[in-house]
Amino acid sequence: DSGVTQTPKHLITATGQRVTLRCSPRSGDLSVYWYQQSLDQGLQFLIQYYNGEERAKGNILERFSAQQFPDLHSELNLSSLELGDSALYFCASTTGSSYNSPLHFGNGTRLTVT
Amino acid sequence: QKEVEQDPGPLSVPEGAIVSLNCTYSNSAFQYFMWYRQYSRKGPELLMYTYSSGNKEDGRFTAQVDKSSKYISLFIRDSQSSDSATYLCVFAGGTSYGKLTFGQGTILTVHP
Repeated sequence: DSGVTQTPKHLITATGQRVTLRCSPRSGDLSVYWYQQSLDQGLQFLIQYYNGEERAKGNILERFSAQQFPDLHSELNLSSLELGDSALYFCASTTGSSYNSPLHFGNGTRLTVT
Repeated sequence: QKEVEQDPGPLSVPEGAIVSLNCTYSNSAFQYFMWYRQYSRKGPELLMYTYSSGNKEDGRFTAQVDKSSKYISLFIRDSQSSDSATYLCVFAGGTSYGKLTFGQGTILTVHP
């Protein structure tokens, strides 16, 4: 068990809808990363937060947004959903803010858009 | 050209075999080299981490980095059924603060 909790485990929704994915990092970890994993793209970095502030952005669409709250949990909001957004969304946390801190991944949220 | 190319597999080997997993990369700014393992329906977990050329050993696992050839490998000795998973080579460095670049993954199956 990595100590990173993601909810919900599965989500099925229709095109055009909006969903929120939630992540609780390991106790004491200040950095939270979001990744999207699809069969054809592999793991793609979306965004990183460190102690409530955005630190790095990857291939995150404008329809997606995220935030990290004072208690360090994070939410990823996906809106105007399209079929192509169907994927596994992973949250990961680390103790530090730089890339040489090993990431601890949650077990992901599987999003299916119909 | 993709930043990272990973041998796609899938690989199927008998228990006890030596497994070689390989990745090449094109970004000279990569400074940190990692291997993550991902079991089905789970998130990836860190296996090995190194930042220098050469070999690093941890039990049955050896990570090899050749920066001049931009090539990294993971060797698994005496493979076991519990090694059946997807293996991801992962790179970090350059100007992208906090961003890791993942290979596509190689699916490994170790059969009795």
